Amino acid sequence: AQKVTQAQTEISVVEKEDVTLDCVYETRDTTYYLFWYKQPPSGELVFLIRRNSFDEQNEISGRYSWNFQKSTSSFNFTITASQVVDSAVYFCALFPPRGGSEKLVFGKGTKLTVNP
Amino acid sequence: NAGVTQTPKFRVLKTGQSMTLLCAQDMNHEYMYWYRQDPGMGLRLIHYSVGEGTTAKGEVPDGYNVSRLKKQNFLLGLESAAPSQTSVYFCASSYPTADSNQPQHFGDGTRLSIL
Repeated sequence: AQKVTQAQTEISVVEKEDVTLDCVYETRDTTYYLFWYKQPPSGELVFLIRRNSFDEQNEISGRYSWNFQKSTSSFNFTITASQVVDSAVYFCALFPPRGGSEKLVFGKGTKLTVNP
Repeated sequence: NAGVTQTPKFRVLKTGQSMTLLCAQDMNHEYMYWYRQDPGMGLRLIHYSVGEGTTAKGEVPDGYNVSRLKKQNFLLGLESAAPSQTSVYFCASSYPTADSNQPQHFGDGTRLSIL
């Protein structure tokens, strides 16, 4: 079965702190895809990144970075020098191509609050 | 750039009433999805469609019906609304998942309350 666990329900930091959001996944597939989405207070879902299971190279995009470790089935997301605008709920999701239901399996989300 | 548009954005219904949520996308995506988001539950797939005229059940399909008569539109129907269907509903679309690195693009959501 496919499963995504985001153990941190809520995180609160002060502006300019670094923060890491954890994501652990379970799948029996050898090929799969991982995603991060951001849901700001306004409610929409914003795509941040995708990663396929064959690409373990870490990625950096501005203040955002992602650490994919297949050995620990983790796909963690780090925000460097956090800002108030980073306050949102962040979802990690797994897409198992052979799952048969064409569905993204979402974690329950981590609510990040960045205080000024 | 409209992307994925959901109508309406908010709605309040009484138990037993029916309604249809409309999702429209202008990206020529083959695949479309309906999710519901409940507190502490993340997003759960209700139904999806891999092309015009086709639909399939997702994780939580009971109490809902869908139709995909046109490629750009995906309708979600509640025939007899129940309080348990109070939720935020998201529509999404994507290219075929054979190109599985393509992300799903989400609408802004519909907040539905059933009294």
